[in-house]
Amino acid sequence: GAGVSQTPSNKVTEKGKYVELRCDPISGHTALYWYRQSLGQGPEFLIYFQGTGAADDSGLPNDRFFAVRPEGSVSTLKIQRTERGDSAVYLCASSLKGTVPQETQYFGPGTRLLVL
Amino acid sequence: KQEVTQIPAALSVPEGENLVLNCSFTDSAIYNLQWFRQDPGKGLTSLLLIQSSQREQTSGRLNASLDKSSGRSTLYIAASQPGDSATYLCAVSGNTGKLIFGQGTTLQVKP
Repeated sequence: GAGVSQTPSNKVTEKGKYVELRCDPISGHTALYWYRQSLGQGPEFLIYFQGTGAADDSGLPNDRFFAVRPEGSVSTLKIQRTERGDSAVYLCASSLKGTVPQETQYFGPGTRLLVL
Repeated sequence: KQEVTQIPAALSVPEGENLVLNCSFTDSAIYNLQWFRQDPGKGLTSLLLIQSSQREQTSGRLNASLDKSSGRSTLYIAASQPGDSATYLCAVSGNTGKLIFGQGTTLQVKP
């Protein structure tokens, strides 16, 4: 019964580079969420997948951010042309169905992204 | 647009004290409210989930209340211990699973 895992745990990159962040949800969980947490702030919603499709991507800040979940399990968050303001902890969460608002979301440890 | 506010931002108490953390939200049309704990460098752990039809939930030394009409929730921690030191986050959910978080209260319990 592994929990949500995220790789890498830390990522340092230079401004302008492309990065990919990976999330492995709990096995069998249909719903997957990405959040971003800046220092001293609460997490901010980015995108929500129900199965393979993005059910809500209203939190993606701009078109440099993109996420996929091609087989309905692992998800990758992709950031193009990184900027220093993208530096944050990127958190992934999963829940069993996602269609039931009362479900608990289980969070991974996060990926700490630093853009120099 | 839903906004969630937590007060205070930081709190330091001696071991053994009872304490209350506050959370307020601007839109009462929520489906549930959750309290999470976050330890430094770690992810979030769900502590309590209160559905919109409920008034409170209890787990061990923790009790969370919800007053949906006034847009408020409190997390009560009884007999605090040094191991309770962490950041506590409150989050509300609408009719999707999307969570909207407050900025958190960082708690330090001194031995």
